[in-house]
Amino acid sequence: GENVEQHPSTLSVQEGDSAVIKCTYSDSASNYFPWYKQELGKRPQLIIDIRSNVGEKKDQRIAVTLNKTAKHFSLHITETQPEDSAVYFCAAWRGGGKLIFGQGTELSVKP
Amino acid sequence: SAVISQKPSRDICQRGTSLTIQCQVDSQVTMMFWYRQQPGQSLTLIATANQGSEATYESGFVIDKFPISRPNLTFSTLTVSNMSPEDSSIYLCSATSGTGAYEQYFGPGTRLTVT
Repeated sequence: GENVEQHPSTLSVQEGDSAVIKCTYSDSASNYFPWYKQELGKRPQLIIDIRSNVGEKKDQRIAVTLNKTAKHFSLHITETQPEDSAVYFCAAWRGGGKLIFGQGTELSVKP
Repeated sequence: SAVISQKPSRDICQRGTSLTIQCQVDSQVTMMFWYRQQPGQSLTLIATANQGSEATYESGFVIDKFPISRPNLTFSTLTVSNMSPEDSSIYLCSATSGTGAYEQYFGPGTRLTVT
């Protein structure tokens, strides 16, 4: 079955720096890759996603890149702000609507 | 995006009892799911709630422990049966809004503590 590995587990950056979180997946049939942001005590929020027919997608300060050959995808946050501090989860679509999640990255942005 | 609510938001239960969690979506959705998130951990899919038929469970989850209902396109329930302290977790429902849509949105979760 699908397996998703996410790195790093924790990431600390200074405000204004960039942050990059990487995920790899095992099932070459996966074709949809969302990223969720979860603040403490809150629900996971979909922040950006990418489908397998696209290599890169950008939305203001966040971007996602996908390398289908290598089976990895990454989240890039530029000009980080303290409100970006949260746990970020990547996921891969396993088919039938099922998402398999990575282990999560706790991002801390220091002012 | 679909707006999803859950009830209760939290509960403290005694071992051996059962709790039913409700999930309500503000529009008709094709697919609904139930996840478990243990403290400080990732999300694990429990089952897909199928409208009008039995839920489809993931490996490690069984119907006797986690019976699920989905009577219509906007509502589902998850019951955690014969609870033990190991069932203490956050339970989240999610939904995909339409045919061919991939985007999945989550409810606020139910924080369950079993004593």
